[in-house]
Amino acid sequence: GDSVTQMEGPVTLSEEAFLTINCTYTATGYPSLFWYVQYPGEGLQLLLKATKADDKGSNKGFEATYRKETTSFHLEKGSVQVSDSAVYFCALTQGGSEKLVFGKGTKLTVNP
Amino acid sequence: NAGVTQTPKFQVLKTGQSMTLQCAQDMNHEYMSWYRQDPGMGLRLIHYSVGAGITDQGEVPNGYNVSRSTTEDFPLRLLSAAPSQTSVYFCASSSASPSTDTQYFGPGTRLTVL
Repeated sequence: GDSVTQMEGPVTLSEEAFLTINCTYTATGYPSLFWYVQYPGEGLQLLLKATKADDKGSNKGFEATYRKETTSFHLEKGSVQVSDSAVYFCALTQGGSEKLVFGKGTKLTVNP
Repeated sequence: NAGVTQTPKFQVLKTGQSMTLQCAQDMNHEYMSWYRQDPGMGLRLIHYSVGAGITDQGEVPNGYNVSRSTTEDFPLRLLSAAPSQTSVYFCASSSASPSTDTQYFGPGTRLTVL
């Protein structure tokens, strides 16, 4: 079945550091790819998405590019802030599917 | 707009007890889902509904029951709680299939079964 693999955390960075969180997927067909963020004590929020190969999703300074050749959707940010501390989930869904398939999540802590 | 609301925020049960986790949305969304979040396992789909009167099983449905009598509400019932059901439960809704529309998540219910 479809699956998502994320880099193990936790990840700890200093403010203004560069962030990469790796995500690779296994899926038949052409899934849509997502990054969700979960701030402490809250539910998940959609951060960005891409629906076809070579699409780049972006939001709040975060970016991820849908790479079909490497089946990857790595999350990047050039300069992280303390407020970016959260758990980040990579996810996919297939066209017509009723469910999201999530990775295990990566906890990011940004220190001042 | 309150979005997706869940009650209670926290609950402790004893093995064998039953309870209902409430979920409501005020966005007139047709699709609603229940997920559980366990450490190191991401979120897994329990049950989902594509509209009032229509429900279906997800990845981990055993021990849970759902019904959808209105568009707004999608309660999740634990029939006889077990320690393996200790988890954080999230309800989500969207106006269309998750493959085409953003899912909105509630704040979660943290359940402990002793």
